[in-house]
Amino acid sequence: ETGVTQTPRHLVMGMTNKKSLKCEQHLGHNAMYWYKQSAKKPLELMFVYSLEERVENNSVPSRFSPECPNSSHLFLHLHTLQPEDSALYLCASSQDLGSYEQYFGPGTRLTVT
Amino acid sequence: RKEVEQDPGPFNVPEGATVAFNCTYSNSASQSFFWYRQDCRKEPKLLMSVYSSGNEDGRFTAQLNRASQYISLLIRDSKLSDSATYLCVGKTDSWGKLQFGAGTQVVVTP
Repeated sequence: ETGVTQTPRHLVMGMTNKKSLKCEQHLGHNAMYWYKQSAKKPLELMFVYSLEERVENNSVPSRFSPECPNSSHLFLHLHTLQPEDSALYLCASSQDLGSYEQYFGPGTRLTVT
Repeated sequence: RKEVEQDPGPFNVPEGATVAFNCTYSNSASQSFFWYRQDCRKEPKLLMSVYSSGNEDGRFTAQLNRASQYISLLIRDSKLSDSATYLCVGKTDSWGKLQFGAGTQVVVTP
């Protein structure tokens, strides 16, 4: 498999559930990102990892918890979410932290009920 | 104020026509700019970089105007497959943080 993959593609969860989003990149890249995309709004950068080290946490609520066990995998652990957290969550990778071309996965469409 | 602002559209374009749209940015320290394309229910993909001297890639031409702080994209001879949302992106920090606009939707009709 090539490129950036994400699972699951769709997720419906209650506010008290705990779930995790998974991202895997097969490009040999060193940087990985989590974005949130809500309708009619710009992509919001949530977390950035470079060589498995977290570089940035953009004031994201603690109910979102990232994990990067190695340079190919990125997780987003979800706990006690709110309905306004419903959105498309996109994972991306780039060759290095300074690269302008980011390769995105297909996203996970999350609905919080 | 948003760092990167775009007209959401949609721009309805007859097939074969030319369409152009702009994006404005507020951070004068922005160093580099790009256009990404996002098809309906798909992920964003890099379309092209934007240079002050202009950048042409086939039917697509991108331009940067630093004095007025805007970026433009022009599509000539529009194809049905050009229907998408075009995201304007600025890059300020050296480490690669991209600032995305909300996108301009283009709909090419037969």
